[in-house]
This record gives sequence, structure tokens and C-alpha cells, in this order.
Amino acid sequence: GNSVTQMEGPVTLSEEAFLTINCTYTATGYPSLFWYVQYPGEGLQLLLKATKADDKGSNKGFEATYRKETTSFHLEKGSVQVSDSAVYFCALSEWTGGFKTIFGAGTRLFVKA
Amino acid sequence: DAGVTQSPTHLIKTRGQQVTLRCSPKSGHDTVSWYQQALGQGPQFIFQYYEEEERQRGNFPDRFSGHQFPNYSSELNVNALLLGDSALYLCASSLGGGASNQPQHFGDGTRLSIL
Repeated sequence: GNSVTQMEGPVTLSEEAFLTINCTYTATGYPSLFWYVQYPGEGLQLLLKATKADDKGSNKGFEATYRKETTSFHLEKGSVQVSDSAVYFCALSEWTGGFKTIFGAGTRLFVKA
Repeated sequence: DAGVTQSPTHLIKTRGQQVTLRCSPKSGHDTVSWYQQALGQGPQFIFQYYEEEERQRGNFPDRFSGHQFPNYSSELNVNALLLGDSALYLCASSLGGGASNQPQHFGDGTRLSIL
């Protein structure tokens, strides 16, 4: 079945460091890919998405490129801030007689000042 | 513009009991999905409702059932509660039968604890 694997956390970085959170997926067809973020004390919210191969999703300085050849959707940010501290979830959605979203286990990011 | 609202926020039950959780979707949304999120894990898809019917289901037993009303709100029912059902239950709404390119909007969840 479909699945999403993302790097284990926690990831601890200093402010202004470069961030990469790896995500790979398994799917039978052509899923849409998402990154969701959960800030402390808040609900899940969509960070960015890509719906087809080679698409790049971007938002708030974060980027991820849909790589079909490597089945990956790594999240990157050039310079993290303390306010980026949160849990990040990679997810896919694919039609299988209905659409459902499969989430990875999440990666917790701590950014130190 | 109200987002996704869930009630109650917290609930404590004992093994064997039954529970009903409620969700009102974001204004304009017609599709509701339910997820179970265990501590330290990602959300696990339970099922999705569209046009008052269950359209897709994850790997959850029949003890988990749901309903969608004509106003698009939804309920999640869990019978014969087990200790392992303790989790955060998330409701997400979207538009158009959960089309993959339509983002889901999540509620803050209901924290269910089973004693």
C-alpha cells in the first residue's frame, strides 16, 4: 500500500541554519504531495503542496520539489528562525476509489536562538 | 469565517464504553475526513464522508463508524472502547469529495483518554 517515510527527529538547529527534512514515498500511481506543519499548541495546517512531478511547492521560505524518479519530496529552508520550531509532516494523497491522505510520522524541529 | 470546529476538546471514558465526537467543517466545504493521531505519530486516516456517504476507509475496525448530515457536519462514533483508542482525533474538511489538489483544513482535535 501507499506509505510515507520521513527522517526521524528531533532536528535541532541554530537560527539562520539551513534546513532539510527528508521525505520519501511509495505509491501505485501519481499522488499529490504535501507538507503540513503543527506549531506548539496549534492544529495541523498546510505548509505547501505539489500535484505533479517536477512541481515545486513553496511558502514562508520553505520549498519542496516533487521528484518522481527518486520518489522524494524533501523540505528545505535556507535560513530557519526560532518561530519555525514545530512538527513537520510529509503526506500524500491519491485516488483509490476515493481520496485519502497518508501521513508520515512527523519530524520535530527545534531552532535555537 | 469559522474554520473547522470539533467538540468536545477533551473526553475521558472507560473501557467498553461508547463515544461520539462531532465536527463542523469550514464554511463552504462539503467533505469531512477523520484521523486518529497517537502521541508522537502522524495522523492515521479513519474514513471520509462526502454527500452523506462513506467514500473511503482506512484500516480501522467496524467499531469506528461515522455519519455526515445534510449541513455537512459529521460525527465519529467508537464502540466498545479499548485502551489503545486513546489518541487525538482530528477532523479535516475540504471541497469536492476530497480531490487531491484541494487542501484539507484541520480542526484542533478531540483528545480522547480511555481509563
